[in-house]
Amino acid sequence: ILNVEQSPQSLHVQEGDSTNFTCSFPSSNFYALHWYRWETAKSPEALFVMTLNGDEKKKGRISATLNTKEGYSYLYIKGSQPEDSATYLCAFRNYGGSQGNLIFGKGTKLSVKP
Amino acid sequence: EAQVTQNPRYLITVTGKKLTVTCSQNMNHEYMSWYRQDPGLGLRQIYYSMNVEVTDKGDVPEGYKVSRKEKRNFPLILESPSPNQTSLYFCASSFSGPGNTIYFGEGSWLTVV
Repeated sequence: ILNVEQSPQSLHVQEGDSTNFTCSFPSSNFYALHWYRWETAKSPEALFVMTLNGDEKKKGRISATLNTKEGYSYLYIKGSQPEDSATYLCAFRNYGGSQGNLIFGKGTKLSVKP
Repeated sequence: EAQVTQNPRYLITVTGKKLTVTCSQNMNHEYMSWYRQDPGLGLRQIYYSMNVEVTDKGDVPEGYKVSRKEKRNFPLILESPSPNQTSLYFCASSFSGPGNTIYFGEGSWLTVV
């Protein structure tokens, strides 16, 4: 059974702090790694799709890196704002017979205090 | 507007009464998928479809059926719902290929009593 782990489970920071969290996934048969931002009662919002080892992607104050050889991705938020409060999910797709199988981590819940 | 539409958004039903949650996308996506979200367990994939008439089981397919007769629609069928299927359900779609963004519907809250 493929497993995707996210850490920490939750994080409380002050407005203006920079923060980062980790997604660990199987390093074999890598196909893609997705990051989502998810607010309660809304649908997950796509942040990044990463496919190549060494990929770095950026969207405003949020960026992500990918290491497929060791099986991890980092998500960074620079200068956190209260509106960044959400659960951040990563999801792994493996190459092989189940390319449609998307496996999610349980997420990191970020709370940003003003 | 590009979107994934699920119906119903909220439903309370009784054990054993067959129900269907519809999912429709207007982006001509090949790939569609269903997930359920339960507290402490994250999002778990139920079924997915790589194209019309091509469906496959995800991680938690028991108690569910799907069909993909047309590209835009991917209904989730609960033939005989049970209380352990009470959950928040999401439908999603994307173009095929690893680098494509997967778009989610707004979710369907289902309660089985």
